[in-house]
Amino acid sequence: EPEVTQTPSHQVTQMGQEVILRCVPISNHLYFYWYRQILGQKVEFLVSFYNNEISEKSEIFDDQFSVERPDGSNFTLKIRSTKLEDSAMYFCASIDGRVYEQYFGPGTRLTVT
Amino acid sequence: AQTVTQSQPEMSVQEAETVTLSCTYDTSESDYYLFWYKQPPSRQMILVIRQEAYKQQNATENRFSVNFQKAAKSFSLKISDSQLGDAAMYFCALGGNQFYFGTGTSLTVIP
Repeated sequence: EPEVTQTPSHQVTQMGQEVILRCVPISNHLYFYWYRQILGQKVEFLVSFYNNEISEKSEIFDDQFSVERPDGSNFTLKIRSTKLEDSAMYFCASIDGRVYEQYFGPGTRLTVT
Repeated sequence: AQTVTQSQPEMSVQEAETVTLSCTYDTSESDYYLFWYKQPPSRQMILVIRQEAYKQQNATENRFSVNFQKAAKSFSLKISDSQLGDAAMYFCALGGNQFYFGTGTSLTVIP
């Protein structure tokens, strides 16, 4: 069964550093999403991406965040200058557009020290 | 504003018994979807069941079923014949232009 993959599974970085989280959505999917989940809290929407551009973004997704689909298969989330409060689990998800059902990746646990 | 409310932070059920998890939501959209996701300790998000708002018939997936009350904006999940593997965090989610998640219900299954 096709699945969404994410790398790395765990990233530790120092405050102020840039991080790039990578996702490979399911190959025929058209819509891509990033979410974050601070430990013990709910899953929060960050951004959705369709047709090589952002279609929706939340208030959390400020100028420190950016997304890219650099090569037609990867979907990346970049945090330019990490803060302690960016420590969270980051989930990528995709849907094929015909069936409104999100497939989630296993997540990347980001720890900012 | 779109909101999802899960008023039960924790629930427990005896193995083989039935449990119902509550969810209410608010949206101004006319076309939307509702979901229940399971998150085990591995933190993987696993889709349990999905309901299209335009469908009156309640969705069912094996031991999992929903009670969708559109007018009341209520979307509860019923787990029948509970199994130890059902123990997890359960999130209700509303999908339209964005996805909104509730705060989750932690389900414990007692052997």
